[in-house]
Amino acid sequence: SAVISQKPSRDICQRGTSLTIQCQVDSQVTMMFWYRQQPGQSLTLIATANQGSEATYESGFVIDKFPISRPNLTFSTLTVSNMSPEDSSIYLCSIRDRSGNTIYFGEGSWLTVV
Amino acid sequence: QKEVEQDPGPLSVPEGAIVSLNCTYSNSAFQYFMWYRQYSRKGPELLMYTYSSGNKEDGRFTAQVDKSSKYISLFIRDSQPSDSATYLCAALGGSYIPTFGRGTSLIVHP
Repeated sequence: SAVISQKPSRDICQRGTSLTIQCQVDSQVTMMFWYRQQPGQSLTLIATANQGSEATYESGFVIDKFPISRPNLTFSTLTVSNMSPEDSSIYLCSIRDRSGNTIYFGEGSWLTVV
Repeated sequence: QKEVEQDPGPLSVPEGAIVSLNCTYSNSAFQYFMWYRQYSRKGPELLMYTYSSGNKEDGRFTAQVDKSSKYISLFIRDSQPSDSATYLCAALGGSYIPTFGRGTSLIVHP
């Protein structure tokens, strides 16, 4: 399986600020995704990061709040903009493997907004 | 009704017990089924995946899929305190986006 590295692993952020999370994969992958997992909840898909084009957002998530970049097949960033305490979550980068049959996750970025 | 249902627990067992974790699903298009283990404040780690019906074994872990009843199981033999975590089931088919259960919290006490 691919190695997926996320930075930062955790951070404490001030209300109203923005933070960019980086995801680096050690091999080229077609499909990269960003998930959010709020405390005690399951995974919620934010968007599919498309290489060379705009991300595809799920219902309830908008580009102004969660801008995503995907400059190449190994790297993506997610920005959480104008943060509020409700944005305190684990944010997870994930990839679909080459067989297309399963999903792998990074270690996650634990954000606390105060 | 969610497409993948999973009891959140917590499930508490003594060390050495056999653990049975289960999910049900409603979408007949699901073909691939996965189990993830997630420790607190960490990303989910893929434990096992299976295609269609049948069993798959890896060490102390056995994944079982019964498509006729739309039932997914993960068995853990000789459970250890280090197995204490949240276990998520997931299903994939048709769409390229998996559907996750809400996770079952497992506590293995010494």
